[in-house]
Amino acid sequence: EIVLTQSPATLSLSPGERATLSCRASQSVSSYLAWYQQKPGQAPRLLIYDASNRATGIPARFSGSGSGTDFTLTISSLEPEDFAVYYCQQRSNGKTFGQGTKVEIK
Amino acid sequence: EVQLVESGGGLVKPGGSLRLSCAASGFTFSSYSMNWVRQAPGKGLEWVSSISSSSSYIYYADSVKGRFTISRDNAKNSLYLQMNSLRAEDTAVYYCARDQRRGEGMDVWGQGTTVTVSS
Repeated sequence: EIVLTQSPATLSLSPGERATLSCRASQSVSSYLAWYQQKPGQAPRLLIYDASNRATGIPARFSGSGSGTDFTLTISSLEPEDFAVYYCQQRSNGKTFGQGTKVEIK
Repeated sequence: EVQLVESGGGLVKPGGSLRLSCAASGFTFSSYSMNWVRQAPGKGLEWVSSISSSSSYIYYADSVKGRFTISRDNAKNSLYLQMNSLRAEDTAVYYCARDQRRGEGMDVWGQGTTVTVSS
C-alpha cells in the first residue's frame, strides 16, 4: 500500500498569507495525485488532479506541483473561506489519502 | 444538477450487516466509475472501494476486503455497498463519490450517510 504523509499537520496563517502544504508518497505515484479541501460538516471538494490541474471552478490562487514522491499544494493568498482541512490522494496503486493538513486562522 | 444522495446508514451491532445506497442524478451514471470513501469521527478520509462504469473492475481497501461488496445498477442510476461482519472501527460517515472521466480525481460527492457500529 502506498502511504501518503502530509506536512505540517497544522498550518497557522493569516488571511492574505501564502500557504504551502506538502504531501510525500512512500513510493512513486508519477503524477497521479489529487488534492481536496474539506470544511467542517461538508463533503470534500476536488481542487487539483494529476498533480497540477485545477478542477472546474477552482480559483487560480490554488496551484499544485510535483511528481514522483513529492508534491505541493500552494494557496497564493489565503481568503477567509480557505481555512479548512486539505487532503492529498493517490491513484497510482489503488487509492489512498494522506492524513490531512489543517489550515487555521492565526 | 449533478447530485449524489446516500442512504441506508444507521446503528448496527458488531457482526451485523448494512446496505448503503447512493442515488445519482444529473449525469450519465453508466459512464463513470464510482467510489465509496469513509471518514471516522474526527479522523481523515479513507478510500473504501471503487467500481468501474460497467462493473468490470472492482477494488477494495484491505481493511474491508472480504467483508464489503460494492455493486451498481446502471438502469437505476444507483451505487451500493453491502457491509457484512461490521466492526466498531467501521463507524464512519460514508460518502459516495464520482470519478472524473479518466479517473483523475473524485469530482462529485454526496452528503454522506452515517454508520454506527455499537452494541
